[in-house]
Amino acid sequence: EAQVTQNPRYLITVTGKKLTVTCSQNMNHEYMSWYRQDPGLGLRQIYYSMNVEVTDKGDVPEGYKVSRKEKRNFPLILESPSPNQTSLYFCASSFWTGHGYTFGSGTRLTVV
Amino acid sequence: KNEVEQSPQNLTAQEGEFITINCSYSVGISALHWLQQHPGGGIVSLFMLSSGKKKHGRLIATINIQEKHSSLHITASHPRDSAVYICAVKAGNQFYFGTGTSLTVIP
Repeated sequence: EAQVTQNPRYLITVTGKKLTVTCSQNMNHEYMSWYRQDPGLGLRQIYYSMNVEVTDKGDVPEGYKVSRKEKRNFPLILESPSPNQTSLYFCASSFWTGHGYTFGSGTRLTVV
Repeated sequence: KNEVEQSPQNLTAQEGEFITINCSYSVGISALHWLQQHPGGGIVSLFMLSSGKKKHGRLIATINIQEKHSSLHITASHPRDSAVYICAVKAGNQFYFGTGTSLTVIP
């Protein structure tokens, strides 16, 4: 089944403890992206990647890192999480043309 | 800054009604997406448009590039259409999103 897999679905952590949210797709998509969704603000793009080893900042990259060492994986790294990073996170991927845009199931992160 | 504006924010309809959700954007785009987010949180891409009109079942999406405007229509609405509908535009390599329209269809 074609899908984008995010893990974990839920995560509660403490301020400053490094964490990684994984994202993997099995559709050979070139484009992958991370978003956060907050009430009243909607979805905002954190980082995106156009292909292996090619990443760039979105609208709200502060406090986040990403890497794209393989085409299928695009992990989101929070080196030192803070409470303002409490949010619902989505990974998504598509072909470069934009077709086949597919979202992961989301990761609800709480930083205390 | 709001690159994408949607209206209305909230919409309640009776089952069977024709529904229109509007999206206006202020940036040059290569594509516009309509997304559906169900109460459980999952997001599904309904349409990708770069021009004209697309239809899938009871859903119709149109875009007017000159006016920087898109509409999503739902014909013969059903309670299972209740969800948040989100307009997203691709400008360069980035995506910008509207804040969504929350639709409730009452039986």
